[in-house]
Amino acid sequence: DTGVSQDPRHKITKRGQNVTFRCDPISEHNRLYWYRQTLGQGPEFLTYFQNEAQLEKSRLLSDRFSAERPKGSFSTLEIQRTEQGDSAMYLCASSFRAGGGTDTQYFGPGTRLTVL
Amino acid sequence: GDSVTQMEGPVTLSEEAFLTINCTYTATGYPSLFWYVQYPGEGLQLLLKATKADDKGSNKGFEATYRKETTSFHLEKGSVQVSDSAVYFCALSDKFGNEKLTFGTGTRLTIIP
Repeated sequence: DTGVSQDPRHKITKRGQNVTFRCDPISEHNRLYWYRQTLGQGPEFLTYFQNEAQLEKSRLLSDRFSAERPKGSFSTLEIQRTEQGDSAMYLCASSFRAGGGTDTQYFGPGTRLTVL
Repeated sequence: GDSVTQMEGPVTLSEEAFLTINCTYTATGYPSLFWYVQYPGEGLQLLLKATKADDKGSNKGFEATYRKETTSFHLEKGSVQVSDSAVYFCALSDKFGNEKLTFGTGTRLTIIP
């Protein structure tokens, strides 16, 4: 098991361009979360999937953001018409939820986005 | 909504000193509580967790006790090492919801030899 992976690790783009990030969760993890972290702050929840279903989206997630998890495995996060305020670290986490108890989220290394 | 308030940093200590990082929370339900650590150049790692009142989480010499009466989950270590230098995040999740994590702002800890 290689852990959660994210690609790319760094992305520099110009304002107005579209970007897409990929997250590969730990295999057999049925939950996948996206968070955003800005400098000096803790991560903030963006959205989450249980298998292929997107079950919740934060108010932080404007309509320029879209996330998918086709087939319930990897996930993509797309930002359209990027703005300078989108510059942040985008974190992906996965967990396995089965019945009761508290699942532990395992985080990937993140994708650092810089919008010029 | 749920929130986490964390001791502001940065915190600088000498090696072998006692560490406390304060964390208090506000939650409407019955949250689980976590401490995550981010070492330089690495991703977030779970350090310890507690899922109900009076539970104590522990790992690598760090401890934190879930105190419902004071809504706190303070992180402690008896003798810190240089290798403990990192950013520490307190977080909670609503175990009856989607279990998304709500994080504090983080505390940067630097240990000097």
